[in-house]
Amino acid sequence: AQKVTQAQTEISVVEKEDVTLDCVYETRDTTYYLFWYKQPPSGELVFLIRRNSFDEQNEISGRYSWNFQKSTSSFNFTITASQVVDSAVYFCALRGYGGATNKLIFGTGTLLAVQP
Amino acid sequence: AAGVIQSPRHLIKEKRETATLKCYPIPRHDTVYWYQQGPGQDPQFLISFYEKMQSDKGSIPDRFSAQQFSDYHSELNMSSLELGDSALYFCASSQGLAGGVTNEQFFGPGTRLTVL
Repeated sequence: AQKVTQAQTEISVVEKEDVTLDCVYETRDTTYYLFWYKQPPSGELVFLIRRNSFDEQNEISGRYSWNFQKSTSSFNFTITASQVVDSAVYFCALRGYGGATNKLIFGTGTLLAVQP
Repeated sequence: AAGVIQSPRHLIKEKRETATLKCYPIPRHDTVYWYQQGPGQDPQFLISFYEKMQSDKGSIPDRFSAQQFSDYHSELNMSSLELGDSALYFCASSQGLAGGVTNEQFFGPGTRLTVL
């Protein structure tokens, strides 16, 4: 079975602090994709990153960085120098590869509150 | 670039009424996915269609039905509405069914259904 766990329900930081959102996943697939989505108060799901299971290189995009470690089945997301606009719910998600199993399995989300 | 269109964006219904949600995928996308996100919860996969045929099914209640039409748009029909059906309903579309980078799911803005 596939499962995504985001143990942090809520995180509150002060602006300019760095914050890491944890994501641990379970899957029996050898090929899979991991995602992070941002959901601001307006409700839409904003795609942030996709990582496939063969690519363990860390990625940095501006203030965002991702650390993928297959050995610990983790795909953590770090925001550097957080800003108030980063306040949102962040979802980690998992997707299989091939066939009819393209549905996304989401974690329960982490609510990030960045205080000015 | 064209995005996934969902209508209506907001819908208010009474208990036991019927609701129809519509999804218009990105042009040339032939696969549609429906997700339900209850208040404070993560999105849950309901059902998907590929080339007008159901491709996968999640935890969709028997009171719900969906289909994909010849122009690839999809409709989610919900009958005998219950208070617990109040949620944000997302539609996503992709090109093709098999997993892979080119089969990325793009999310619509969602329809917020409120059942009174």
